[in-house]
Amino acid sequence: GAVVSQHPSWVICKSGTSVKIECRSLDFQATTMFWYRQFPKQSLMLMATSNEGSKATYEQGVEKDKFLINHASLTLSTLTVTSAHPEDSSFYICSAQLAGPTDTQYFGPGTRLTVL
Amino acid sequence: AQKVTQAQTEISVVEKEDVTLDCVYETRDTTYYLFWYKQPPSGELVFLIRRNSFDEQNEISGRYSWNFQKSTSSFNFTITASQVVDSAVYFCALMGDYKLSFGAGTTVTVRA
Repeated sequence: GAVVSQHPSWVICKSGTSVKIECRSLDFQATTMFWYRQFPKQSLMLMATSNEGSKATYEQGVEKDKFLINHASLTLSTLTVTSAHPEDSSFYICSAQLAGPTDTQYFGPGTRLTVL
Repeated sequence: AQKVTQAQTEISVVEKEDVTLDCVYETRDTTYYLFWYKQPPSGELVFLIRRNSFDEQNEISGRYSWNFQKSTSSFNFTITASQVVDSAVYFCALMGDYKLSFGAGTTVTVRA
């Protein structure tokens, strides 16, 4: 149980284009999903917290207009990187919680974004 | 503010050796949760263990064991008789304010 998927697993795009990443909880309903960013050989940095049916809460320093998050259902959250630039190239990982806000987070396999 | 320190950046061992990963945390919360995750080269974070602040019982799961000591704010992880498949980055994390704060990670390389 507690399986989280992400799609795509990797994507290469041109500078200025937008990229959408999907995060799905496959065998449970997740009221809360999280989006993280990880640069090579670094730790995970929380970008935003996403609750179903409401606006995402962004961490300080994360541009909400650049990283659009939508949590339309209890099993799907999407992250759209708008007008991507090479500095947005990174590993994006989502996680989902089964139950309450102190529950364990289960992580997806990640999406590697390369912006040319 | 929450803070997790993993002082060891990299550890290299030969197969069958034991390896201990250190984790020290800081928090002002009286109730908090600690986690260990494994990140193999494929990139996916694999959940290993969760420990509540009020439960200081040590835990063993197969070759893995965890030592939680509130007095020293430490939550150390030991892999016994390491195997090549244990090669990965291991993250210690602290949940506070409903968010996870990760340590910098320790890269474990197990050589055959």
